[in-house]
Amino acid sequence: GQQVMQIPQYQHVQEGEDFTTYCNSSTTLSNIQWYKQRPGGHPVFLIQLVKSGEVKKQKRLTFQFGEAKKNSSLHITATQTTDVGTYFCAGLAAGNKLTFGGGTRVLVKP
Amino acid sequence: DVKVTQSSRYLVKRTGEKVFLECVQDMDHENMFWYRQDPGLGLRLIYFSYDVKMKEKGDIPEGYSVSREKKERFSLILESASTNQTSMYLCASSPWSGGGQPQHFGDGTRLSIL
Repeated sequence: GQQVMQIPQYQHVQEGEDFTTYCNSSTTLSNIQWYKQRPGGHPVFLIQLVKSGEVKKQKRLTFQFGEAKKNSSLHITATQTTDVGTYFCAGLAAGNKLTFGGGTRVLVKP
Repeated sequence: DVKVTQSSRYLVKRTGEKVFLECVQDMDHENMFWYRQDPGLGLRLIYFSYDVKMKEKGDIPEGYSVSREKKERFSLILESASTNQTSMYLCASSPWSGGGQPQHFGDGTRLSIL
């Protein structure tokens, strides 16, 4: 079945630094979604990418969908303590079923 | 704002018990989902439903069943709870669009099976 892998599993970042988390699918996706889960909270939808090569920005967050629609990345610039949490990508291959990656847990050092 | 409400935040049950987890959404969404979340494994889909009385198996349906008698309510049932079903359970809903709509999650139920 479809698999979605995320790396790294953990990301320790100094406040103010940039980092990137990557998402790779075993199959071609029709779209990819990104969610953020704060500690003790539930996943909250951030963004959806649909087109090959698409790039979207939300303030300090930049999301990219690969040309082959099998991978995606999330880049955060000037990390803040409010960025702490786990970031999940979720790919839609067919039907109505999302497959979630294992998540990247982000820890920020002040 | 979409509200997805799960009946319990924390639940402790014993091995062999039949366990019911309830989820209610207030946005008239067609799709509802049950996931379990375990460290390092992300969210794994147990079952989903795209209409009343309809259900589809997800990736890990073994040991679980579901019920959707009303559009707003989706129940997850552990027929005979086992310790390996100790986990965080998340319910989600989304509008029907053939896929690709954001999912809205409840706060989760942390279930411990002793």
